[in-house]
Amino acid sequence: DAGVIQSPRHEVTEMGQEVTLRCKPISGHNSLFWYRQTMMRGLELLIYFNNNVPIDDSGMPEDRFSAKMPNASFSTLKIQPSEPRDSAVYFCASSLSGTIFTEAFFGQGTRLTVV
Amino acid sequence: LAKTTQPISMDSYEGQEVNITCSHNNIATNDYITWYQQFPSQGPRFIIQGYKTKVTNEVASLFIPADRKSSTLSLPRVSLSDTAVYYCLVGESFNKFYFGSGTKLNVKP
Repeated sequence: DAGVIQSPRHEVTEMGQEVTLRCKPISGHNSLFWYRQTMMRGLELLIYFNNNVPIDDSGMPEDRFSAKMPNASFSTLKIQPSEPRDSAVYFCASSLSGTIFTEAFFGQGTRLTVV
Repeated sequence: LAKTTQPISMDSYEGQEVNITCSHNNIATNDYITWYQQFPSQGPRFIIQGYKTKVTNEVASLFIPADRKSSTLSLPRVSLSDTAVYYCLVGESFNKFYFGSGTKLNVKP
């Protein structure tokens, strides 16, 4: 398995533009997580899906952020409009929930720079 | 969420055993203890998980005392490639795990 695949790896955009980050989880995993990492705040859980349904989006910073999971093999995180303070590395992770051994596998991340 | 406390950074030399301790005084009965490793420009990677006593795998050992209010990750004979940030997480399931600040391990030649 190729692991969790995120695209793009790097994104530079201007303030006010729409940004869409993409994630393909590991086949067979039924939980998907979006994280944001910055030097100041560390790794923050933004939203978590189980069986394609958003379970907890309390970490989503504001309405400019939205996430979807239309099927078990694809998820997007959209920021509209983007702001410089959104600059961070965004990670997607997937796991097989419902078991005690809840190891999560992370993608390589998308480094977003909003100028 | 059971909050964890770890040292901000540690230094070691190649070939030494490194022990990183994590405090989690408010751990709940159903919580597991999990450690992740993160290299620069990469996502965190699972190292080891345990509930009580001792767990060992090919990468590390995890020591958990009877009261479970702390845990120690032990890395035997570290190499330069073990330089990374190590996170201690406590939770019932992954969606309830909280990533703290982690411990930055610097292995010197």
